[in-house]
Amino acid sequence: SQTIHQWPATLVQPVGSPLSLECTVEGTSNPNLYWYRQAAGRGLQLLFYSIGIDQISSEVPQNLSASRPQDRQFILSSKKLLLSDSGFYLCAWSAETDINEKLFFGSGTQLSVL
Amino acid sequence: AQKITQTQPGMFVQEKEAVTLDCTYDTSDPSYGLFWYKQPSSGEMIFLIYQGSYDQQNATEGRYSLNFQKARKSANLVISASQLGDSAMYFCAMREDHNTDKLIFGTGTRLQVFP
Repeated sequence: SQTIHQWPATLVQPVGSPLSLECTVEGTSNPNLYWYRQAAGRGLQLLFYSIGIDQISSEVPQNLSASRPQDRQFILSSKKLLLSDSGFYLCAWSAETDINEKLFFGSGTQLSVL
Repeated sequence: AQKITQTQPGMFVQEKEAVTLDCTYDTSDPSYGLFWYKQPSSGEMIFLIYQGSYDQQNATEGRYSLNFQKARKSANLVISASQLGDSAMYFCAMREDHNTDKLIFGTGTRLQVFP
C-alpha cells in the first residue's frame, strides 16, 4: 500500500533562517506531488506541484522553492524565512491527473517563524 | 476569481442530527471533479466523498452524501446522524479537466457537534 511521510511535524525557526521540509511517498511510482500551505484558520493554498522529476510548477510568487531530486521525494525550501511563512504545510500525492483523482496527504508540518 | 466558495465559517449541530455544509464553485470547464475533505484537530486531511460533473446520481459514502446541483454550481455536503467525532474542519475542492494537475480548495467550514 502507498504511504506518504512528511517531516518534521513541528518546526520553530527564526526569521532569516533557512528551511527544508521533506516529503517522501512509498508504494507507488511517478506520483504527482504537491505542497500546500494552510494559514491559521484559513483554507489550503497550493504552493507547488510536480508531475515528474524536475517538473515543478509554482502557483504563487514567494521566497519558497521546491525541488524533486528523486521520483518520490519532494522538498520545500527557503533560503531566508519570513514571518509570513508561518503556517501548516501539507505535502500530498495523487496517482494520476484525472479529474477523479483524489489527493492523499501527509500529516503536515507546523512551522512557526519567530 | 475564487473557484471554490464556502460561505459558512462555522456550523453547529446537535448529535444525531443532520447538517449541510455549503459549497459553490466556478468553472467554465464542462468536465470537473468535486471533493470533500475532513480535517480534524490533528491536521491530517481525510478524503470523504467525490462527485464527477457527469455523474447522474448524487454521491454517497456512508453517512456522507453530496447534494450536487449542477445548474446552480453547488456541491453541498450532507452529514446524517452527526457524531461527536464529526467535529472538524471540512473543505470542498475541485479539479478541472483542462487543468487536472491542480486540486483547488475552499476556505473551509468548522463544524462543531454538541451532545
